[in-house]
Amino acid sequence: QQQVKQSPQSLIVQKGGISIINCAYENTAFDYFPWYQQFPGKGPALLIAIRPDVSEKKEGRFTISFNKSAKQFSLHIMDSQPGDSATYFCAASINNNAGNMLTFGGGTRLMVKP
Amino acid sequence: DTEVTQTPKHLVMGMTNKKSLKCEQHMGHRAMYWYKQKAKKPPELMFVYSYEKLSINESVPSRFSPECPNSSLLNLHLHALQPEDSALYLCASSHRDQGGQPQHFGDGTRLSIL
Repeated sequence: QQQVKQSPQSLIVQKGGISIINCAYENTAFDYFPWYQQFPGKGPALLIAIRPDVSEKKEGRFTISFNKSAKQFSLHIMDSQPGDSATYFCAASINNNAGNMLTFGGGTRLMVKP
Repeated sequence: DTEVTQTPKHLVMGMTNKKSLKCEQHMGHRAMYWYKQKAKKPPELMFVYSYEKLSINESVPSRFSPECPNSSLLNLHLHALQPEDSALYLCASSHRDQGGQPQHFGDGTRLSIL
């Protein structure tokens, strides 16, 4: 059963526009919500992350909005650039007796047109 | 440059070959992970090592054999693989006991089985 649902699967945005990716989770035990950016031929790179006691976090053009009661969180990319074209994965993390375990969303392929 | 280093970057092998993938991190992380990623899909967890001991095996076929020689190194030994095993193999590491921390990924080994 997929515990983190991500939408849309693909997204096309014009340069300078806002890209919005949404995720929803089910397990209220998750304690950390990272977003990963993956370029072709590369591994996922941590982009930005948030803890559930915070409603919003901004780093440059990237903002996470977090709604704990709705069990939803989203990534906003302001002033989207062609270099942002990549696959984005939301994830939810829980610390157990093995480590910080990630549950990934299905991914969103973003294309920013010049 | 990522803080998790994986070698080789590319590997082509026949179904009867034996090869090994290597992963190294020097962030002091005591949890290390192997993932398999198919095209357009999120990473799929294979193994977790916690304090150099195998903690999680996600029902991975025995033709994949992990090893953790020390706290910085993680190996994945491959033998008698099948064509469907062709994928990107990712290594990641994280803090073991501290929650709310991300996993850091390497750039992976692109494995092709002939």
